[in-house]
Amino acid sequence: SQQGEEDPQALSIQEGENATMNCSYKTSINNLQWYRQNSGRGLVHLILIRSNEREKHSGRLRVTLDTSKKSSSLLITASRAADTASYFCATLNQAGTALIFGKGTTLSVSS
Amino acid sequence: EAEVAQSPRYKITEKSQAVAFWCDPISGHATLYWYRQILGQGPELLVQFQDESVVDDSQLPKDRFSAERLKGVDSTLKIQPAELGDSAMYLCASSRGSDTQYFGPGTRLTVL
Repeated sequence: SQQGEEDPQALSIQEGENATMNCSYKTSINNLQWYRQNSGRGLVHLILIRSNEREKHSGRLRVTLDTSKKSSSLLITASRAADTASYFCATLNQAGTALIFGKGTTLSVSS
Repeated sequence: EAEVAQSPRYKITEKSQAVAFWCDPISGHATLYWYRQILGQGPELLVQFQDESVVDDSQLPKDRFSAERLKGVDSTLKIQPAELGDSAMYLCASSRGSDTQYFGPGTRLTVL
């Protein structure tokens, strides 16, 4: 039972371009988080946006949240080859304890 | 920077054998999670501990999987007997509360 669904499933861009990934979720949330996973590795926390926030920045990352549409977007500006990874959005389960992840967007940045 | 440790990183076993994975969370993190990630999917929670107590094991296949965190620090996840469908990445994570979770590198299990 996956709460979030990322779109697109896969994205290929050139270095220097911007990458935008979207996430839709089903139930009300307290916060939404984005994680990155390099191939065959564990997940790295990127950013958390709370339900009362609409936009948040961290370095080259920009996250937006639209609770009325139950959607979020992650923008990576000026992408680099090192950004090649899978990106997941995650929200808390109904008990507010563990995270529920989407299937992820696989980003490939070529030089 | 403190990290979540997991071992082994890779495990190959034959079906019907027993396997065990170990996780050492970040010091001071009371909450520990085990997730299973099938290739091409997002992680799915298997079990969650608060200190030494199980908070949520509703998705743990209890006929073959067991997890423990006896002293509220490190944890072991066991599968007995392993089945072909258990091939996946097993991820351990820890957190102070219910917000940011910190993940270990995972154990890649292949069941032959």
